[in-house]
Amino acid sequence: RKEVEQDPGPFNVPEGATVAFNCTYSNSASQSFFWYRQDCRKEPKLLMSVYSSGNEDGRFTAQLNRASQYISLLIRDSKLSDSATYLCVVNGAGGSYIPTFGRGTSLIVHP
Amino acid sequence: EPEVTQTPSHQVTQMGQEVILRCVPISNHLYFYWYRQILGQKVEFLVSFYNNEISEKSEIFDDQFSVERPDGSNFTLKIRSTKLEDSAMYFCASSQGTSDQPQHFGDGTRLSIL
Repeated sequence: RKEVEQDPGPFNVPEGATVAFNCTYSNSASQSFFWYRQDCRKEPKLLMSVYSSGNEDGRFTAQLNRASQYISLLIRDSKLSDSATYLCVVNGAGGSYIPTFGRGTSLIVHP
Repeated sequence: EPEVTQTPSHQVTQMGQEVILRCVPISNHLYFYWYRQILGQKVEFLVSFYNNEISEKSEIFDDQFSVERPDGSNFTLKIRSTKLEDSAMYFCASSQGTSDQPQHFGDGTRLSIL
């Protein structure tokens, strides 16, 4: 089983839609979790950290489910500018402090 | 907003040559990282660095690679005897702490081995 798994998509949604991505991780001892976005041929940019109690930042909501070992990202009222690849990052997925990236989920928001 | 800077943005090198990729982390950050991303693939961790020594490294980071913090601001990745398969984007990142702190990435160096 891969350490961090994401559905590659693409998720193709109209502007204004709500879309959700999940990311599963294999190591139950994983310690911290993040969502990054990456535009084509650009660097990953931090979107938000994921806290145990769940957290929200504007249109974005992140949640952690330790029992089922997944994190989620919900995007409300999608904008064209949300089109990107969303990367799940898990620290400690491999049993160390090494950050493990998922392959990313591609989102395309169309008019 | 402070940012991580990387130079050069694009490096073209003949196979077998040595390259040095440079990074200036955010000034109050203590942890530094190198990653690579082969075109179309996921971001892969190479190495983390703290207090002037390597703290973690992946299987990819073999004897071909080395890192150094030659002065108070630069953090470098040296790749010796480059191979075609070393062609990738190389990202530097820094963070204030370890596992619970997010990392901030530079905009990368595109390394092309010919």
